[in-house]
Amino acid sequence: DADVTQTPRNRITKTGKRIMLECSQTKGHDRMYWYRQDPGLGLRLIYYSFDVKDINKGEISDGYSVSRQAQAKFSLSLESAIPNQTALYFCATSTAYLSGANVLTFGAGSRLTVL
Amino acid sequence: GQQVMQIPQYQHVQEGEDFTTYCNSSTTLSNIQWYKQRPGGHPVFLIQLVKSGEVKKQKRLTFQFGEAKKNSSLHITATQTTDVGTYFCAGTSGNTPLVFGKGTRLSVIA
Repeated sequence: DADVTQTPRNRITKTGKRIMLECSQTKGHDRMYWYRQDPGLGLRLIYYSFDVKDINKGEISDGYSVSRQAQAKFSLSLESAIPNQTALYFCATSTAYLSGANVLTFGAGSRLTVL
Repeated sequence: GQQVMQIPQYQHVQEGEDFTTYCNSSTTLSNIQWYKQRPGGHPVFLIQLVKSGEVKKQKRLTFQFGEAKKNSSLHITATQTTDVGTYFCAGTSGNTPLVFGKGTRLSVIA
């Protein structure tokens, strides 16, 4: 099983719908992130969480919200999806400790299409 | 805020040719990391550089961190078709999340 699991892997939805992307991890990492990837724009940070009670906005948080339900779970919500939120979304995890500090482990990605 | 610029955006090479991608930060970095994303895949960690002037090698890949800790490069010697993908640099200035460059997409023509 993958260390970082994202569901759904693919989703097509309509403008105005509420969408939730879920991420779970078995690495025991304390830090979790949501990134968005668009062609030619690289990976842009949406939200991040360094601990269960910690939520921080990233570079492009407008139109998104997150929930850290447990150390292993971090979900991303689009309250009212719009077409320019069509993108590939990645969840990632890291730890602040040991020699692997801050090295990101990515999930396989969730491709979202908003019509 | 911190910005990380990466060039070139695309690079097409013949198999066996060398390839280099460059990364520059607007601020001094505490460390820089490199990731590779194969077509249709997710980014995978390659290496982390921490020290000023550091050079690390992984087989045909050579990674450098500049003396001022504001720039870095990845050089691939004698590219192979297995090197195809997008290479990202990502840096941080402290206890903050990584900021990614836009990546360099490498195509290798056999």
